[in-house]
Amino acid sequence: NAGVMQNPRHLVRRRGQEARLRCSPMKGHSHVYWYRQLPEEGLKFMVYLQKENIIDESGMPKERFSAEFPKEGPSILRIQQVVRGDSAAYFCASSPPGGTEAFFGQGTRLTVV
Amino acid sequence: GQQVMQIPQYQHVQEGEDFTTYCNSSTTLSNIQWYKQRPGGHPVFLIQLVKSGEVKKQKRLTFQFGEAKKNSSLHITATQTTDVGTYFCLVGSGGSNYKLTFGKGTLLTVNP
Repeated sequence: NAGVMQNPRHLVRRRGQEARLRCSPMKGHSHVYWYRQLPEEGLKFMVYLQKENIIDESGMPKERFSAEFPKEGPSILRIQQVVRGDSAAYFCASSPPGGTEAFFGQGTRLTVV
Repeated sequence: GQQVMQIPQYQHVQEGEDFTTYCNSSTTLSNIQWYKQRPGGHPVFLIQLVKSGEVKKQKRLTFQFGEAKKNSSLHITATQTTDVGTYFCLVGSGGSNYKLTFGKGTLLTVNP
């Protein structure tokens, strides 16, 4: 059973470009969480999704950020018109129905130049 | 919303000394999980506590869940340099919309 897979591991974007981050949850997991970690800081909740539904997006900036978890395929975190302040590590976690322990992917490190 | 306080923010110890980090919630928790993140790495699941007053041990690590299910602690006995990293608690609030909230973490450094 493969773990949570995130890709790419590293992503470099110029200011104004779009960044697309992918997360494939563990098999059997239907809950996905996205977290952002700025350098030297803790993990901050962004969004919680179940298949085809956004359950809680209270931690996500209102503009430029969006997330989806389609019926088929990975969860996608999309950042439009990136700015330098978006540079961070973005971690995805998944958990099975019932919300027991969460398992994290290795993260995508986004650098905006 | 869910409030989670984790203390201390930083802890520096000499190798062989003990270490404890605490996680406190403003509300009763369904469960609590502990994670370790090495510098440059990703959070790795350590343990989950569910029952009131629960105590679990993993070698030199002891995890406790408070009787009121509002606080938890992670204690490391006789730290080693391999224990270096940030220790996070992750708490769950129950109901159909299950939300997981991280504490800010405690960064542990160990002087050999």
